[in-house]
Amino acid sequence: AQSVTQPDARVTVSEGASLQLRCKYSYFGTPYLFWYVQYPRQGLQLLLKYYPGDPVVQGVNGFEAEFSKSNSSFHLRKASVHWSDWAVYFCAVSMDTGGLSGKLTFGEGTQVTVIS
Amino acid sequence: EAAVTQSPRSKVAVTGGKVTLSCHQTNNHDYMYWYRQDTGHGLRLIHYSYVADSTEKGDIPDGYKASRPSQENFSLILELASLSQTAVYFCASRVQGANTEVFFGKGTRLTVV
Repeated sequence: AQSVTQPDARVTVSEGASLQLRCKYSYFGTPYLFWYVQYPRQGLQLLLKYYPGDPVVQGVNGFEAEFSKSNSSFHLRKASVHWSDWAVYFCAVSMDTGGLSGKLTFGEGTQVTVIS
Repeated sequence: EAAVTQSPRSKVAVTGGKVTLSCHQTNNHDYMYWYRQDTGHGLRLIHYSYVADSTEKGDIPDGYKASRPSQENFSLILELASLSQTAVYFCASRVQGANTEVFFGKGTRLTVV
């Protein structure tokens, strides 16, 4: 069965510094991968998604992610963090080949704290 | 912007009581989902629906029922609430198609005492 692991439960970063959040997946076949962000007291919002193709995916608000099949990873990056990036970030993989069901398997989430 | 509205936003329920969580979407989406989120964990799928009057079991359906009386509405029902069902519940919807974006509601915080 597919699974997603986010090894860092919490990350603290200074405003203006770079950020990388790690995501490892287990999936038989070619995965469809997503990063979601959850701001305080809000639902999840899509940051970016990966479909088979270019391994580097651009998302909203300056976020990008890089897919690596050899490492089974889909790490999220941002060059310069803003205080508004304080949130919980979830990596997710589509449960079925082709993604027709829309069912997602989520990682545990990484809480990002931004300090000045 | 797609809208998914959940009610109530928070609820305290008594062990053994019946709880109904409601979800309404105005996106004309076919697919709707119920996830639960536990502290320190990701979201897990409880039930989902492709079409009105039909529901499917997700990964953790035990102790939950779902109802989809119309395309817009999707309810999650806890017939006999238990302490272990204390969590935040998210409803979501999406349009039909491969890997189309899933839109989430703001969540319902349920505390069972």
